Amino acid sequence: AQKVTQAQTEISVVEKEDVTLDCVYETRDTTYYLFWYKQPPSGELVFLIRRNSFDEQNEISGRYSWNFQKSTSSFNFTITASQVVDSAVYFCALSELGGGATNKLIFGTGTLLAVQP
Amino acid sequence: DGGITQSPKYLFRKEGQNVTLSCEQNLNHDAMYWYRQDPGQGLRLIYYSQIVNDFQKGDIAEGYSVSREKKESFPLTVTSAQKNPTAFYLCATSVEGYSNQPQHFGDGTRLSIL
Repeated sequence: AQKVTQAQTEISVVEKEDVTLDCVYETRDTTYYLFWYKQPPSGELVFLIRRNSFDEQNEISGRYSWNFQKSTSSFNFTITASQVVDSAVYFCALSELGGGATNKLIFGTGTLLAVQP
Repeated sequence: DGGITQSPKYLFRKEGQNVTLSCEQNLNHDAMYWYRQDPGQGLRLIYYSQIVNDFQKGDIAEGYSVSREKKESFPLTVTSAQKNPTAFYLCATSVEGYSNQPQHFGDGTRLSIL
C-alpha cells in the first residue's frame, strides 16, 4: 500500500538555524511523483515542489532545498537560515501514475515547524 | 483575481442537518477535489471530479455527496449520515486529473457541530 511517513510531529528552531524535515514513502510503483506543501496558519496549502521518480537530482530554490534518495525512499526538505515566516505545517505527499489512475495524493501527517525569533 | 474560493470560512451544523460547502474556481482547471483534515491525520480525499458531470469517491466518501454541474463549481454536502463532521475541509483543483500536475488549494472551511 502507498504510504507517506513524516516522523517529526513538531520541530522548534531559532531564527537563522537550518532545519531538515524528513519524509519517507512506500510504494510498489516504479513511476510516481512526490510533493511538498506548506500550510501557514491561514489554512490554505501552498505548493512548493514536485519531483518525479526518475529524477533524483537535488533541487535548490532560494533557502529551500530538497534531497530525493530513491535507495532509502526519502524526500527530505531543508530550510537554510530559517525565518519566522517559515513557521507552518509542512506536508509531504505521494502521487502514483499508472493504469489511468487519477491524480490522487497520499499525504503524510505533516510536520509543524515553529521558528522562534 | 484568479484562484479558488471556498465559502463559508466557518460553518456550524445542527444534529440531523445537511450542510453544503461551496468551492468555486476561475483557473479553468478540469479536475477538482475535496479533502478533509483532522488534527494529526493529514489530509484525506473525500471526492474528486476529473471532468464536468463526473465524480468519483475518494477514501472517506461515506456521509458526503457532491455534484459537478459546472466546470467552475464543486459543492460538497455533509449529510446527517456523517456522524463526525467536525473538521477542516479543503477544496483543490488541478489542470487535469489524469496527470500529476500540482494541486492548488483554497483557504478551507472549518465545520463544527452545535
